[in-house]
Amino acid sequence: SAVISQKPSRDICQRGTSLTIQCQVDSQVTMMFWYRQQPGQSLTLIATANQGSEATYESGFVIDKFPISRPNLTFSTLTVSNMSPEDSSIYLCSVGKGAGDTQYFGPGTRLTVL
Amino acid sequence: ILNVEQSPQSLHVQEGDSTNFTCSFPSSNFYALHWYRWETAKSPEALFVMTLNGDEKKKGRISATLNTKEGYSYLYIKGSQPEDSATYLCASSGGSYIPTFGRGTSLIVHP
Repeated sequence: SAVISQKPSRDICQRGTSLTIQCQVDSQVTMMFWYRQQPGQSLTLIATANQGSEATYESGFVIDKFPISRPNLTFSTLTVSNMSPEDSSIYLCSVGKGAGDTQYFGPGTRLTVL
Repeated sequence: ILNVEQSPQSLHVQEGDSTNFTCSFPSSNFYALHWYRWETAKSPEALFVMTLNGDEKKKGRISATLNTKEGYSYLYIKGSQPEDSATYLCASSGGSYIPTFGRGTSLIVHP
């Protein structure tokens, strides 16, 4: 198992600004994942963050909007850039080894954009 | 892209009632089915991962079954307690590396 913390736990931001979310894992992991859950929607994968390489983004998500850093094997950040009210969501990071393995999630960052 | 559907969207039950939810997923190219429990302000917590048709898993009062041929899984809670109140997520892994999640079933158990 893995214990994951996220900062901040929640924030209220003005449109046009950016917010960086931090994710810290208590052990070294190869792959970290960033998800978003918009109100009433399913958890949707934004990108996969590998240490030492660029993040891999899912369809509909781009690096300019959601830049990701992965400086080491226990830490990652996701930035939500130039925010609009549509970015109001819960953002979660997770770790997991593969499709058949359990994913371990952080507690999430609840973002409201006014 | 996998389409994972969960029903019902929300459910209110009385303490002591037994309840069940459904998760449906494409049966082609199936690899694994996951159930998670997500309480407000906490991390989603893994309940079960199932891979074989006919799999049944149990954890205390909670159990799950899997039918990969018809593409559905049931989650059962026996004798619901207020602490069972949470959103229950299912996710299916197909050919892609990462599971695709449903929208969840929100369960509220009234004392």
